[in-house]
Amino acid sequence: ETGVTQTPRHLVMGMTNKKSLKCEQHLGHNAMYWYKQSAKKPLELMFVYSLEERVENNSVPSRFSPECPNSSHLFLHLHTLQPEDSALYLCASSPGGGVGTGELFFGEGSRLTVL
Amino acid sequence: KQEVTQIPAALSVPEGENLVLNCSFTDSAIYNLQWFRQDPGKGLTSLLLIQSSQREQTSGRLNASLDKSSGRSTLYIAASQPGDSATYLCAVYNAGNMLTFGGGTRLMVKP
Repeated sequence: ETGVTQTPRHLVMGMTNKKSLKCEQHLGHNAMYWYKQSAKKPLELMFVYSLEERVENNSVPSRFSPECPNSSHLFLHLHTLQPEDSALYLCASSPGGGVGTGELFFGEGSRLTVL
Repeated sequence: KQEVTQIPAALSVPEGENLVLNCSFTDSAIYNLQWFRQDPGKGLTSLLLIQSSQREQTSGRLNASLDKSSGRSTLYIAASQPGDSATYLCAVYNAGNMLTFGGGTRLMVKP
Protein backbone atom coordinates (compact mmCIF):
# COMPACT_ATOMS: atom_id res chain seq x y z
CA GLU A 1 0.00 0.00 0.00
CA THR A 2 1.72 3.14 -1.24
CA GLY A 3 -0.96 5.65 -0.26
CA VAL A 4 -1.89 6.26 -3.90
CA THR A 5 -5.11 4.59 -5.05
CA GLN A 6 -6.20 4.26 -8.66
CA THR A 7 -9.60 3.23 -9.99
CA PRO A 8 -10.64 1.38 -11.98
CA ARG A 9 -7.84 -1.18 -12.09
CA HIS A 10 -9.03 -2.47 -15.46
CA LEU A 11 -11.05 -0.70 -18.15
CA VAL A 12 -12.17 -1.81 -21.59
CA MET A 13 -13.69 0.81 -23.84
CA GLY A 14 -14.67 1.36 -27.43
CA MET A 15 -13.20 4.16 -29.52
CA THR A 16 -16.36 6.26 -29.20
CA ASN A 17 -16.76 5.92 -25.45
CA LYS A 18 -16.01 8.51 -22.78
CA LYS A 19 -14.52 7.28 -19.54
CA SER A 20 -12.39 8.60 -16.69
CA LEU A 21 -9.53 7.29 -14.60
CA LYS A 22 -9.32 8.39 -11.00
CA CYS A 23 -6.35 8.77 -8.68
CA GLU A 24 -6.42 9.64 -4.99
CA GLN A 25 -3.44 10.13 -2.70
CA HIS A 26 -3.53 10.01 1.09
CA LEU A 27 0.02 11.22 1.68
CA GLY A 28 -0.49 14.97 1.94
CA HIS A 29 1.59 15.52 -1.19
CA ASN A 30 1.32 18.59 -3.37
CA ALA A 31 2.34 17.22 -6.76
CA MET A 32 0.57 14.55 -8.83
CA TYR A 33 1.47 12.92 -12.13
CA TRP A 34 0.02 10.79 -14.91
CA TYR A 35 2.33 8.34 -16.70
CA LYS A 36 1.69 5.97 -19.58
CA GLN A 37 3.40 2.59 -19.76
CA SER A 38 3.13 0.77 -23.08
CA ALA A 39 4.57 -2.64 -23.83
CA LYS A 40 8.32 -2.58 -24.47
CA LYS A 41 8.57 1.21 -24.03
CA PRO A 42 9.88 3.28 -21.10
CA LEU A 43 7.36 5.09 -18.95
CA GLU A 44 6.19 8.31 -20.56
CA LEU A 45 5.26 11.37 -18.52
CA MET A 46 1.89 12.77 -19.58
CA PHE A 47 0.91 15.46 -17.08
CA VAL A 48 2.24 17.06 -13.90
CA TYR A 49 0.19 19.07 -11.42
CA SER A 50 1.72 21.04 -8.57
CA LEU A 51 -0.68 22.55 -6.02
CA GLU A 52 -3.52 21.90 -8.47
CA GLU A 53 -1.87 23.87 -11.26
CA ARG A 54 -0.76 22.05 -14.38
CA VAL A 55 2.98 22.57 -14.76
CA GLU A 56 3.74 20.07 -17.48
CA ASN A 57 1.86 18.78 -20.48
CA ASN A 58 4.20 16.52 -22.34
CA SER A 59 2.70 16.88 -25.84
CA VAL A 60 -0.20 14.62 -25.05
CA PRO A 61 -3.08 14.38 -27.59
CA SER A 62 -6.20 16.30 -26.66
CA ARG A 63 -8.22 13.08 -26.41
CA PHE A 64 -6.61 12.82 -22.96
CA SER A 65 -7.87 15.54 -20.62
CA PRO A 66 -6.55 15.82 -17.05
CA GLU A 67 -8.36 17.38 -14.12
CA CYS A 68 -7.00 18.14 -10.66
CA PRO A 69 -9.81 19.51 -8.45
CA ASN A 70 -7.64 19.49 -5.30
CA SER A 71 -4.22 18.30 -4.21
CA SER A 72 -5.53 14.83 -3.28
CA HIS A 73 -7.38 13.94 -6.46
CA LEU A 74 -6.39 13.62 -10.08
CA PHE A 75 -8.50 12.49 -13.01
CA LEU A 76 -7.73 11.53 -16.58
CA HIS A 77 -10.74 11.95 -18.85
CA LEU A 78 -10.67 9.80 -21.97
CA HIS A 79 -12.63 10.30 -25.17
CA THR A 80 -12.36 9.11 -28.74
CA LEU A 81 -9.33 6.97 -27.97
CA GLN A 82 -7.41 4.82 -30.42
CA PRO A 83 -6.34 1.17 -30.01
CA GLU A 84 -2.71 2.33 -29.67
CA ASP A 85 -3.75 4.14 -26.47
CA SER A 86 -4.11 0.76 -24.79
CA ALA A 87 -1.59 0.77 -21.96
CA LEU A 88 -1.09 0.84 -18.21
CA TYR A 89 -1.77 4.33 -16.89
CA LEU A 90 0.07 5.10 -13.69
CA CYS A 91 -0.60 7.89 -11.24
CA ALA A 92 2.08 9.16 -8.86
CA SER A 93 2.47 11.81 -6.20
CA SER A 94 5.40 13.55 -4.55
CA PRO A 95 5.82 15.92 -1.62
CA GLY A 96 5.79 19.68 -2.02
CA GLY A 97 8.86 21.85 -1.78
CA GLY A 98 9.42 21.97 -5.49
CA VAL A 99 8.57 19.44 -8.13
CA GLY A 100 11.59 17.25 -8.78
CA THR A 101 13.07 17.26 -5.31
CA GLY A 102 10.98 14.58 -3.66
CA GLU A 103 10.42 10.86 -3.89
CA LEU A 104 7.65 9.62 -6.17
CA PHE A 105 5.00 7.20 -4.94
CA PHE A 106 3.01 5.30 -7.56
CA GLY A 107 -0.42 3.74 -7.60
CA GLU A 108 -1.10 0.24 -8.90
CA GLY A 109 -2.14 1.54 -12.28
CA SER A 110 -5.23 1.34 -14.48
CA ARG A 111 -4.95 -1.17 -17.34
CA LEU A 112 -6.79 0.33 -20.33
CA THR A 113 -7.80 -1.62 -23.40
CA VAL A 114 -9.29 0.25 -26.35
CA LEU A 115 -11.21 -1.91 -28.81
CA LYS B 1 16.95 15.79 -24.03
CA GLN B 2 17.71 13.39 -21.20
CA GLU B 3 18.16 9.75 -22.16
CA VAL B 4 18.33 6.95 -19.60
CA THR B 5 19.70 3.53 -20.46
CA GLN B 6 19.62 0.40 -18.35
CA ILE B 7 21.90 -2.54 -18.94
CA PRO B 8 21.30 -5.42 -19.08
CA ALA B 9 17.71 -5.51 -20.30
CA ALA B 10 17.25 -8.93 -18.73
CA LEU B 11 19.19 -10.96 -16.20
CA SER B 12 18.78 -14.47 -14.84
CA VAL B 13 20.82 -15.58 -11.82
CA PRO B 14 20.75 -18.42 -9.30
CA GLU B 15 19.56 -17.67 -5.80
CA GLY B 16 22.22 -16.30 -3.46
CA GLU B 17 24.23 -14.37 -6.03
CA ASN B 18 25.20 -10.76 -5.56
CA LEU B 19 24.32 -8.71 -8.60
CA VAL B 20 24.66 -5.24 -10.07
CA LEU B 21 22.17 -3.40 -12.25
CA ASN B 22 23.39 -0.44 -14.26
CA CYS B 23 21.76 2.85 -15.19
CA SER B 24 23.33 5.59 -17.30
CA PHE B 25 22.03 9.03 -18.20
CA THR B 26 23.19 11.62 -20.71
CA ASP B 27 22.47 14.91 -18.88
CA SER B 28 24.27 15.15 -15.53
CA ALA B 29 22.26 18.18 -14.35
CA ILE B 30 19.87 16.09 -12.29
CA TYR B 31 18.00 16.82 -9.06
CA ASN B 32 17.79 13.21 -7.99
CA LEU B 33 17.77 9.60 -9.16
CA GLN B 34 15.26 7.03 -8.02
CA TRP B 35 15.25 3.24 -8.30
CA PHE B 36 11.93 1.42 -8.53
CA ARG B 37 10.73 -2.15 -8.61
CA GLN B 38 7.76 -3.24 -10.72
CA ASP B 39 6.06 -6.62 -10.49
CA PRO B 40 4.14 -7.83 -13.58
CA GLY B 41 0.93 -5.85 -14.12
CA LYS B 42 1.51 -3.76 -11.02
CA GLY B 43 2.55 -0.23 -10.20
CA LEU B 44 6.02 0.93 -9.23
CA THR B 45 7.43 0.58 -5.74
CA SER B 46 10.12 3.04 -4.73
CA LEU B 47 13.29 1.36 -3.54
CA LEU B 48 15.85 4.12 -3.09
CA LEU B 49 16.08 7.84 -3.79
CA ILE B 50 19.48 9.50 -4.17
CA GLN B 51 19.65 13.28 -4.15
CA SER B 52 22.15 14.87 -6.52
CA SER B 53 24.42 15.80 -3.59
CA GLN B 54 24.60 12.21 -2.35
CA ARG B 55 26.86 9.36 -3.46
CA GLU B 56 24.88 6.37 -2.26
CA GLN B 57 21.86 5.10 -0.37
CA THR B 58 21.31 1.78 1.36
CA SER B 59 18.19 -0.11 2.33
CA GLY B 60 18.54 -3.66 3.61
CA ARG B 61 20.17 -5.79 0.91
CA LEU B 62 20.03 -2.94 -1.60
CA ASN B 63 22.69 -0.33 -2.20
CA ALA B 64 22.45 2.34 -4.87
CA SER B 65 25.36 4.55 -5.90
CA LEU B 66 25.40 7.71 -7.96
CA ASP B 67 28.26 9.21 -9.98
CA LYS B 68 26.73 12.34 -11.43
CA SER B 69 29.80 13.45 -13.34
CA SER B 70 29.98 10.23 -15.32
CA GLY B 71 26.21 9.93 -15.62
CA ARG B 72 25.97 6.55 -13.91
CA SER B 73 24.15 4.79 -11.12
CA THR B 74 24.31 1.20 -9.98
CA LEU B 75 21.90 -0.85 -7.89
CA TYR B 76 23.62 -3.60 -5.95
CA ILE B 77 21.50 -6.47 -4.65
CA ALA B 78 23.19 -8.72 -2.11
CA ALA B 79 22.32 -12.38 -1.62
CA SER B 80 19.54 -12.40 -4.21
CA GLN B 81 16.30 -14.28 -3.49
CA PRO B 82 13.50 -15.55 -5.77
CA GLY B 83 11.28 -12.83 -4.31
CA ASP B 84 13.60 -10.25 -5.86
CA SER B 85 12.39 -11.30 -9.32
CA ALA B 86 10.84 -8.21 -10.93
CA THR B 87 11.64 -5.39 -13.31
CA TYR B 88 13.92 -2.72 -11.88
CA LEU B 89 13.61 0.80 -13.22
CA CYS B 90 15.77 3.85 -12.68
CA ALA B 91 14.53 7.37 -13.23
CA VAL B 92 16.27 10.73 -13.16
CA TYR B 93 14.77 14.12 -12.44
CA ASN B 94 15.96 17.13 -14.42
CA ALA B 95 15.03 20.78 -14.42
CA GLY B 96 11.75 21.47 -16.16
CA ASN B 97 9.88 18.96 -14.02
CA MET B 98 10.98 16.07 -16.20
CA LEU B 99 11.34 12.59 -14.75
CA THR B 100 12.86 10.31 -17.37
CA PHE B 101 12.74 6.55 -16.99
CA GLY B 102 15.05 3.90 -18.32
CA GLY B 103 13.70 0.85 -20.09
CA GLY B 104 14.23 -1.35 -17.04
CA THR B 105 16.11 -4.53 -16.23
CA ARG B 106 13.99 -7.66 -15.95
CA LEU B 107 15.49 -9.82 -13.19
CA MET B 108 14.80 -13.51 -12.63
CA VAL B 109 16.28 -15.17 -9.56
CA LYS B 110 16.04 -18.94 -9.79
CA PRO B 111 15.68 -21.10 -6.66
